[in-house]
Amino acid sequence: AQRVTQPEKLLSVFKGAPVELKCNYSYSGSPELFWYVQYSRQRLQLLLRHISRESIKGFTADLNKGETSFHLKKPFAQEEDSAMYYCALRGGGGFKTIFGAGTRLFVKA
Amino acid sequence: EPEVTQTPSHQVTQMGQEVILRCVPISNHLYFYWYRQILGQKVEFLVSFYNNEISEKSEIFDDQFSVERPDGSNFTLKIRSTKLEDSAMYFCASRRTSADTQYFGPGTRLTVL
Repeated sequence: AQRVTQPEKLLSVFKGAPVELKCNYSYSGSPELFWYVQYSRQRLQLLLRHISRESIKGFTADLNKGETSFHLKKPFAQEEDSAMYYCALRGGGGFKTIFGAGTRLFVKA
Repeated sequence: EPEVTQTPSHQVTQMGQEVILRCVPISNHLYFYWYRQILGQKVEFLVSFYNNEISEKSEIFDDQFSVERPDGSNFTLKIRSTKLEDSAMYFCASRRTSADTQYFGPGTRLTVL
C-alpha cells in the first residue's frame, strides 16, 4: 500500500536552530518524493522534489531508500519558514499524489 | 506568473443539493486533478483527468462525484447529492506534462449543512 507518514504534527524551534521534518513512506517500487509547503493564507506549493536534488530556501531533502525516508532539513531556521509542510509521494507512472498528514513548523523569534 | 484559479472561494449548501466547483487550470496544462482536505486531516487525492477522460480515481470518488472539462478552460467537480461529510476544502491542480510540477489552486471551502 502507498503511504506517507509524518510523525510530528507540530514542530517548534527557535530562529537560527536546525530543523528536520521527518517523512517516511511505504511504496513497493520507485516513487517520486516531494515536499509541499503552505504558508498562512496561501495555496499549497511545491518546495522541492527528490529528483531535482536542489536546495530551495535553504531546505534540502535526501531520499534514503534503505530507510524509506525523505526528511526535510534546514541548518538555520528563519521566522518566515513558519508554515505547514507536507511530504508527498507519486508512484512511478502514476497520476495520483499521496500526501502525509503534514507538520506545522513554528519558528520562534 | 499564471496561476490555477478556483471559484467560488466558499460554498455553503444544504445536504442533498448538487454543487459544482469550478477550476481554471493554467492554460497550456494537460493534466488536471482534484483533491480534498477535510478540516484537520490530510490532503486526499480524488481524481485525475487527462485527454478528456478520467485517468485515475480514488475510492472516495464514487458515483456521487463527476468531473468535466466543458470547454477549453474550465475543469469542474460536481457532487450530485451532497452529504455532511463532503464538507472540506477542495483543491484543483494542474500540470503541463506528467513529469512537471503540479500547481495548486487556492481551494474552495465547501460547507454542507
